[in-house]
Amino acid sequence: ETGVTQSPTHLIKTRGQQVTLRCSSQSGHNTVSWYQQALGQGPQFIFQYYREEENGRGNFPPRFSGLQFPNYSSELNVNALELDDSALYLCASRLDREPQHFGDGTRLSIL
Amino acid sequence: RKEVEQDPGPFNVPEGATVAFNCTYSNSASQSFFWYRQDCRKEPKLLMSVYSSGNEDGRFTAQLNRASQYISLLIRDSKLSDSATYLCAVGGNKLVFGAGTILRVKS
Repeated sequence: ETGVTQSPTHLIKTRGQQVTLRCSSQSGHNTVSWYQQALGQGPQFIFQYYREEENGRGNFPPRFSGLQFPNYSSELNVNALELDDSALYLCASRLDREPQHFGDGTRLSIL
Repeated sequence: RKEVEQDPGPFNVPEGATVAFNCTYSNSASQSFFWYRQDCRKEPKLLMSVYSSGNEDGRFTAQLNRASQYISLLIRDSKLSDSATYLCAVGGNKLVFGAGTILRVKS
């Protein structure tokens, strides 16, 4: 509906593992942001990519890393998973300063 | 103090009621202001941008008060389908979200 698609929809991992989440931006959007939303909280900004360069980062440790590709799709990688990483991970894309539009999210559970 | 704070919820209102949400922000340099709606276990969806002059979209009215650093959302004639969590978002290059306010509209 919004044009932003994320995969997978759900994922279960164990502590210490690594995970890669994927996002396809809405057509024409050049900026992608990733957010973490814990239960009962608002989304927390992880980082943002513009034309394949990271141009903003929230208060997340280096084990959270990302990439943006020439087609503006993006990945979020998380290493050494911890129980507190269990959350809904949201990708949002936009064109320049227009409002962000979110994908459906990936629900990550850490056991 | 959190960067963005919203009214605690939940708000339980009857159909047809008018309900108002407030949201305060701490960064006076913030440039963009939005209200998002989030249904249970779904992604946030943009409800409306908020402009200094105030703006209206049907039953929804949003206002920004830069001097007092708050934004508001007014919903008139509430419908059952308005039940959701309402998130305010403030920012420039990145968006900072409030924790959200739950609205429950009952018949």
